[in-house]
Amino acid sequence: EAQVTQNPRYLITVTGKKLTVTCSQNMNHEYMSWYRQDPGLGLRQIYYSMNVEVTDKGDVPEGYKVSRKEKRNFPLILESPSPNQTSLYFCASSLTGGDSPLHFGNGTRLTVT
Amino acid sequence: GESVGLHLPTLSVQEGDNSIINCAYSNSASDYFIWYKQESGKGPQFIIDIRSNMDKRQGQRVTVLLNKTVKHLSLQIAATQPGDSAVYFCADTFSGGYNKLIFGAGTRLAVHP
Repeated sequence: EAQVTQNPRYLITVTGKKLTVTCSQNMNHEYMSWYRQDPGLGLRQIYYSMNVEVTDKGDVPEGYKVSRKEKRNFPLILESPSPNQTSLYFCASSLTGGDSPLHFGNGTRLTVT
Repeated sequence: GESVGLHLPTLSVQEGDNSIINCAYSNSASDYFIWYKQESGKGPQFIIDIRSNMDKRQGQRVTVLLNKTVKHLSLQIAATQPGDSAVYFCADTFSGGYNKLIFGAGTRLAVHP
């Protein structure tokens, strides 16, 4: 089944403890992206990647890192999480970017205390 | 899409009725438009897309209408079912860019038996 898989689904952590949220897609998509979803603010892009080893900042990149060493994987790294990073995170992928639809994972709900 | 604030607008319909969800976008250069459905606890799910060289596109029980003159998009759902209850987002982008979709805040559709 074609899908975007994120792990974990739920994560509770403390301020400053490094964490990684994994994302994998099995559709051979070139483009991958991370979003966070907050009430009243909608979906905001954190980082995106046009292809392997090509990443760039979205609208809210502060406090996050990403890497794209393989086409299928696009992990999101929080080196020193803070409470304002408590949010619902979505990974998404699309065939080429630009004019192909994004396919989303089921989300990771992160709480930072 | 455009953010409409903290509280999502809600459309309440009776099962079997037709639903129309509206969306305004602000970028006159946008040429690719997508509707997503988000059910509780899940990621946004692609419903239908349309390019700017069309003003109407039909899928299974759904129709998207595009009015570029007034920068307006609508999603029509025929014979609405309880399973259609969800939050619906529009998104737009300029396909010559890097697939930076601009998401609207969403409309909650509540279907009553």
